[in-house]
Amino acid sequence: QSALTQPPSVSGSPGQSVTISCTGTSSDVGSYDRVSWYQQPPGTAPKLMIYEVSNRPSGVPDRFSGSKSGNTASLTISGLQAEDEADYYCSSYTSSHTYVFGTGTKVTVL
Amino acid sequence: EVQLVESGGGLVQPGGSLRLSCAASGFTLSDYWMHWGRQAPGKGLVWVSHINSDGTGTTYADSVKGRFTISRDNAKNTLYLQMNSLRAEDTAVYFCARGAYPGALDSWGQGTLVTVSS
Repeated sequence: QSALTQPPSVSGSPGQSVTISCTGTSSDVGSYDRVSWYQQPPGTAPKLMIYEVSNRPSGVPDRFSGSKSGNTASLTISGLQAEDEADYYCSSYTSSHTYVFGTGTKVTVL
Repeated sequence: EVQLVESGGGLVQPGGSLRLSCAASGFTLSDYWMHWGRQAPGKGLVWVSHINSDGTGTTYADSVKGRFTISRDNAKNTLYLQMNSLRAEDTAVYFCARGAYPGALDSWGQGTLVTVSS
């Protein structure tokens, strides 16, 4: 199972919006709404930010939103803040009944 | 408060074995599917395995299938990962995580480092 494809890095100034793409195949992202997103600051454990494509767990700011079209899912961070600087990973359920993570994207707040 | 604490990591020679444990507290382990993931130094997250709530169903990534075994003891609130025939490429921080939503891991431990080297 190959990792889902994400851009290595994205950046934006405080207050701006950034979007991270996550491209898979018809065997994972394209076939299931079990797409989730995780935030991982350096040296810490991942934190769930979005589940089932667009749902936010309790406590996650509504600045974070998710969507999906075809084989590509996206995470948008609106009103970028310094505390959002971290690595972000997408994940999807697959037709093999396994899970696969994305390659990861480093978000830099300029 | 939900807590997951991994232990059992360390240095092991290629071909060796190691068993990781994940102690769960703050919730009823038997209500949840559980997962193991890993992250090589400076690299991305990789999903390793999951187990259903009563331990009767398991799935593995191709890279560990036949070498790793996930199990659980709900009475002891503990998840396990038995790792055999270890290779240098298995070197990573291993995380346990709870599957609370369909397809999502909502709580993670801090991880335990496994180093495979001679």
